[in-house]
Amino acid sequence: DTEVTQTPKHLVMGMTNKKSLKCEQHMGHRAMYWYKQKAKKPPELMFVYSYEKLSINESVPSRFSPECPNSSLLNLHLHALQPEDSALYLCASSQENRVTGELFFGEGSRLTVL
Amino acid sequence: QQQVKQSPQSLIVQKGGISIINCAYENTAFDYFPWYQQFPGKGPALLIAIRPDVSEKKEGRFTISFNKSAKQFSLHIMDSQPGDSATYFCAASFSGGSQGNLIFGKGTKLSVKP
Repeated sequence: DTEVTQTPKHLVMGMTNKKSLKCEQHMGHRAMYWYKQKAKKPPELMFVYSYEKLSINESVPSRFSPECPNSSLLNLHLHALQPEDSALYLCASSQENRVTGELFFGEGSRLTVL
Repeated sequence: QQQVKQSPQSLIVQKGGISIINCAYENTAFDYFPWYQQFPGKGPALLIAIRPDVSEKKEGRFTISFNKSAKQFSLHIMDSQPGDSATYFCAASFSGGSQGNLIFGKGTKLSVKP
């Protein structure tokens, strides 16, 4: 079983809705990540939090808003999304703040935007 | 220079056969080369990883071969099983970079026929 837990597993939302994706890890990792994965593509980095501070934003549109309430939790707030934002959203964590070791991924939240 | 080129895009192997997936990179600063395995509906999981100070690493039926001079590395799956059917991503990162600097290849979908 994965040690990174993501909820919900599936989410369907309209373009005017506001929803949130949640991620939790209890491995004591200090770096947490949001990735977006389209079908048959590799994961694409969106955001990185290091020691609860946003350290990387890969030019992600403002309709995606990350939040790190504490060292174990990571949220991704969604508002006014477009159908092309439909994808698998993966949360990951790592022990170090540079990826020189294992990235632990959650199972993802499958998002469909109507 | 930040790319990792992966081939083939898809691979069909008979049960008991050897699966081989190849990756190439340009950036000689890369110093960590993991392989991730992803089953449908799941997040990627680290399968095996290598650093450039060794030419080969074996874990069970999975072996990474690393050729530093050619800037290539490959994954060999011996005695391939239907349960190995998944998408495999090679990746690379360097410890001198910022967080989240894991560069993924485009992935190989492996199907092992019974």
